[in-house]
Amino acid sequence: KAGVTQTPRYLIKTRGQQVTLSCSPISGHRSVSWYQQTPGQGLQFLFEYFSETQRNKGNFPGRFSGRQFSNSRSEMNVSTLELGDSALYLCASSLGSLGNEQFFGPGTRLTVL
Amino acid sequence: DQQVKQNSPSLSVQEGRISILNCDYTNSMFDYFLWYKKYPAEGPTFLISISSIKDKNEDGRFTVFLNKSAKHLSLHIVPSQPGDSAVYFCAASNSNTGNQFYFGTGTSLTVIP
Repeated sequence: KAGVTQTPRYLIKTRGQQVTLSCSPISGHRSVSWYQQTPGQGLQFLFEYFSETQRNKGNFPGRFSGRQFSNSRSEMNVSTLELGDSALYLCASSLGSLGNEQFFGPGTRLTVL
Repeated sequence: DQQVKQNSPSLSVQEGRISILNCDYTNSMFDYFLWYKKYPAEGPTFLISISSIKDKNEDGRFTVFLNKSAKHLSLHIVPSQPGDSAVYFCAASNSNTGNQFYFGTGTSLTVIP
């Protein structure tokens, strides 16, 4: 079974631009969660989507948004990029019922200049 | 507010000996816990999980112990192997609200041959 895939793997943007990251979950998984990993903060939860609906949201500004499609694929968008948004963005999928382990993709490394 | 803490940033162990990685949490509503291993430039790899109805779960060389009264869990690796050298993260969630996981900041394990 194919794992979680994320595209692109690397991105370089400048301040003020916007970016869209994509995540394809494991086949059959209906929940997709997004995390931001930075050296100082570790993994911080952004949001979770389940059946095209946002089920949980972390403490990030409104510049961070996401959506999920009917095939469970998910996108995350960051608008008006700031230098501090430079991070590894990780997507994780799970079956979706409560109390299931999450499986992570390789991440998208975003660098904001 | 760090709800999940891994107070040891690093740990070194001789090959063949036991590695014990510790994790503390503050939220008594957490009832589902995961451990992940992470290599540089890769997403976290799921290792083992435990729910609050258990106090121990084993999978091969990996055993997770949960002490709910102390809000403490630990991961035991026996015997430790050089390939186990990686950063280990614990994560916790309230499974009644979905898959919003709170991660510790990680412990870097080095297994010395």
